[in-house]
This record gives sequence, C-alpha cells and structure tokens, in this order.
Amino acid sequence: AQSVTQPDIHITVSEGASLELRCNYSYGATPYLFWYVQSPGQGLQLLLKYFSGDTLVQGIKGFEAEFKRSQSSFNLRKPSVHWSDAAEYFCAVGRTTSGTYKYIFGTGTRLKVLA
Amino acid sequence: DAGVTQSPTHLIKTRGQQVTLRCSPKSGHDTVSWYQQALGQGPQFIFQYYEEEERQRGNFPDRFSGHQFPNYSSELNVNALLLGDSALYLCASSSFGRGAEKLFFGSGTQLSVL
Repeated sequence: AQSVTQPDIHITVSEGASLELRCNYSYGATPYLFWYVQSPGQGLQLLLKYFSGDTLVQGIKGFEAEFKRSQSSFNLRKPSVHWSDAAEYFCAVGRTTSGTYKYIFGTGTRLKVLA
Repeated sequence: DAGVTQSPTHLIKTRGQQVTLRCSPKSGHDTVSWYQQALGQGPQFIFQYYEEEERQRGNFPDRFSGHQFPNYSSELNVNALLLGDSALYLCASSSFGRGAEKLFFGSGTQLSVL
C-alpha cells in the first residue's frame, strides 16, 4: 500500500541555521511528490512539487527538495531558516485511480525556530 | 480571484447530531476533495467529487457523505457524530484531467464534537 513516512515529529533549529526535513514514501510507480506547509489553524500551502525531470526542485520561500528514487526519499531543505518558517510541514504523494488523483500525507514534522 | 472558501470556520456539535460543511472551489476548478485532519495527524482523504458524482472514496464509513452542485461547490455531511469525528476538515479544489495538478486548500472547518 502507498504510504508516506516523516520520521521526525518535531525539529528545533536556530534562526539562520540550515534545515532538512525527511520524507520517505512507498509507491509502486513513479510518484508525484509534494511538500506543504501549515501554520496554526490554517489550511495547507504548497511549497513545491515533483512530477518528473530534474530531481532537485525549487519552491517558494527559499525551500528546495531532492527526489532520490534509490532511497525512496524526497527531503526538504532550506539553507538558512527564518523565524517565520516555524510551522508544520507535510510531505505527500499523489496517487491516481481512474484518472483522478488523491493525496496521501505523512503525519507531519513540526518545526520550531529559536531566535 | 477568490481561493477555496469553506464555511463555517468553527462548529461545535454533540454526539449523535448531524453536521454539514460547505466548500466553494477556486475559480476555474471543477473537482473538490475533502480531507479530515485529526489533531497531530496529516490530512486523510475522505472523498472526491467531479461532475456531481463521487469519484474516489477513502476509508471512511457511510456516515460521511457528500454532494457537489452544478456550480462545483460541495457539501460534506456527517451523520451520527462521534467524539472521534472532532477534527479540522479541509476542502481542496483542482481541475479534473490536469493530472496530479496541485491541490488548492481552504483554511478548513474546525469541528468539535462534545
């Protein structure tokens, strides 16, 4: 069955430090992969997506992610974290059935940023 | 251009009651998906509507039902509410046939069941 694993429930980094959030997926075909961010009480905002092609994808707010098929991973990175990045981050894989798509989300990683 | 709008933003119900949540998709979108996000969890797919029909369904009981209207807006109905139905309910819209096009999410309806 398709699944998404985010092994880190909480991560704390200092402002200005680099960040890497891990995501592993289980999917039989070439996956469509996404990273979303959610601020408290808010909906989900798309950071970036991977469909095909270049395995390093750039997103909004200075985020990037690298697709590694051999490791079934799609880790999110940012070279220098800002206090406003504190939020919950969700990795998701898109699954197709009869031409329609649904997303399977991981359980999320909550990011805390220290001043 | 309005994004995805959901109403109400918050709702308090008691066990056994019924609830209806509403969603208007982003302009130009014709497909609506509903997700349930329990506290501390990622969103879980409930179902998806296109052309006023349910196209996909997740692992949710029949107490969860939906509807899509000709203007593409959608409702999520939950009958016989349980305490475990307390969650943030997210609506997402997209365009059918665009592949795994990104979903646009609303801010959600926070449902509390007492």
